[in-house]
Amino acid sequence: DQQVKQNSPSLSVQEGRISILNCDYTNSMFDYFLWYKKYPAEGPTFLISISSIKDKNEDGRFTVFLNKSAKHLSLHIVPSQPGDSAVYFCAAKSGYGGATNKLIFGTGTLLAVQP
Amino acid sequence: DVKVTQSSRYLVKRTGEKVFLECVQDMDHENMFWYRQDPGLGLRLIYFSYDVKMKEKGDIPEGYSVSREKKERFSLILESASTNQTSMYLCASSLTQPGQETQYFGPGTRLLVL
Repeated sequence: DQQVKQNSPSLSVQEGRISILNCDYTNSMFDYFLWYKKYPAEGPTFLISISSIKDKNEDGRFTVFLNKSAKHLSLHIVPSQPGDSAVYFCAAKSGYGGATNKLIFGTGTLLAVQP
Repeated sequence: DVKVTQSSRYLVKRTGEKVFLECVQDMDHENMFWYRQDPGLGLRLIYFSYDVKMKEKGDIPEGYSVSREKKERFSLILESASTNQTSMYLCASSLTQPGQETQYFGPGTRLLVL
């Protein structure tokens, strides 16, 4: 049972335009969401996160939107740059401490930014 | 800066061999995790540990075991390597404090089992 879903395996965008990556989840107990970026042969690096008490968080070119009623979050990258080309994973968790510290990851979306 | 290091970037092993993958973090994090990444399947959690000597099974623990004798070190053991364990293995660590749940990843170990 996939609790975190990224239904688009890939996305291609022109440099300078907006990239929108989507993520859906099924577990209403999730209270913290994160986006990671991964280049080939490297570990994922943290990009941005959002708590369930917010509906938007912004950090430079990256903005994450959370729609709790739709159980949907999205990552917007504006403007997109060729260096943004990577696999993007969304992840979610619920609760604090002990066995709840694990993240549930989506399957990833490969973003290609064309020069 | 949080640093998570993994003992090898690339490993080639034979079927049936016992394989040890080591992970060390230098930020006094309580939690440590082992994932594998396979194309189209994302990151799947194998095992994690939220304290020294504590371990919890993740989604795909079969064929693996772990050891956490010290806070900074978390080892993944493949008792008898099989070809379906060829994968990218990623270690991560995190704090437990609310608002500090970000997991920090090591560079990964690409394991090929022949």
